[in-house]
Amino acid sequence: AQKVTQAQTEISVVEKEDVTLDCVYETRDTTYYLFWYKQPPSGELVFLIRRNSFDEQNEISGRYSWNFQKSTSSFNFTITASQVVDSAVYFCASSNDYKLSFGAGTTVTVRA
Amino acid sequence: EAQVTQNPRYLITVTGKKLTVTCSQNMNHEYMSWYRQDPGLGLRQIYYSMNVEVTDKGDVPEGYKVSRKEKRNFPLILESPSPNQTSLYFCASSLRAGGQPQHFGDGTRLSIL
Repeated sequence: AQKVTQAQTEISVVEKEDVTLDCVYETRDTTYYLFWYKQPPSGELVFLIRRNSFDEQNEISGRYSWNFQKSTSSFNFTITASQVVDSAVYFCASSNDYKLSFGAGTTVTVRA
Repeated sequence: EAQVTQNPRYLITVTGKKLTVTCSQNMNHEYMSWYRQDPGLGLRQIYYSMNVEVTDKGDVPEGYKVSRKEKRNFPLILESPSPNQTSLYFCASSLRAGGQPQHFGDGTRLSIL
C-alpha cells in the first residue's frame, strides 16, 4: 500500500513570495511514480509533473521546481515568486503500476 | 478535443435510489479510474480498470460497482446510495497503467439525502 502525507493543510503568502509544499510518501514498491496535481478554484485537476523512482533529478519548469529525495522519501514542490493565479489546492500523489494514492492536499492562497 | 466526460455534473437524490454516473474518454486509453474527493482526505481511489473487462478495487470500494464493457466507458454505479456517499467524484484515464499521468473529468457532485 502507498501512503502520501502532506502535512501542510493551508499556506497563505503575499504575491512574489516563494512557497514550498512538502510531500512525504511511503511505499514498499521498488518501482513507483510520484505526481503533483493542481486544483484551481474552478475545480478541475491539472497534472503538473511526474517522477519515477529511478529518476532523482530535480526539475524546474518556469516558476515551479521539484525536489525529489529518496533518502527522506520526499517530493517537495516550490513555487518561486508566487502569483495570485497560483492560488489552488495542490495534491501530491504516488502510484505503483496500477493504484494511485493522493495526499490530503495543501491549499495555497496568494494575496495581492 | 481529448477529454474525459462525466455525467451528470450535479445530482441530488435520496437514500436507496440506484444511480449511475457515466464516464467516457475519447483518447483510446487503457486505464480508467474513479476517485472521490472529500474535505481533508484528498482524493481516494474507488475502483480502477486496466483494460476492457479488467477491474479491481481501490482503497474505498464499499457501496460502489463498476463495469468496463467497452474501452471508452467506465460507469460508476451506486446500487443503494447512502448519505456517506455524498461527495465529489472524478473519473480519470491514462494511456496505460504504470504511472502515467491521469486525465481527469470535470467532476460530479453527488448529494445523497
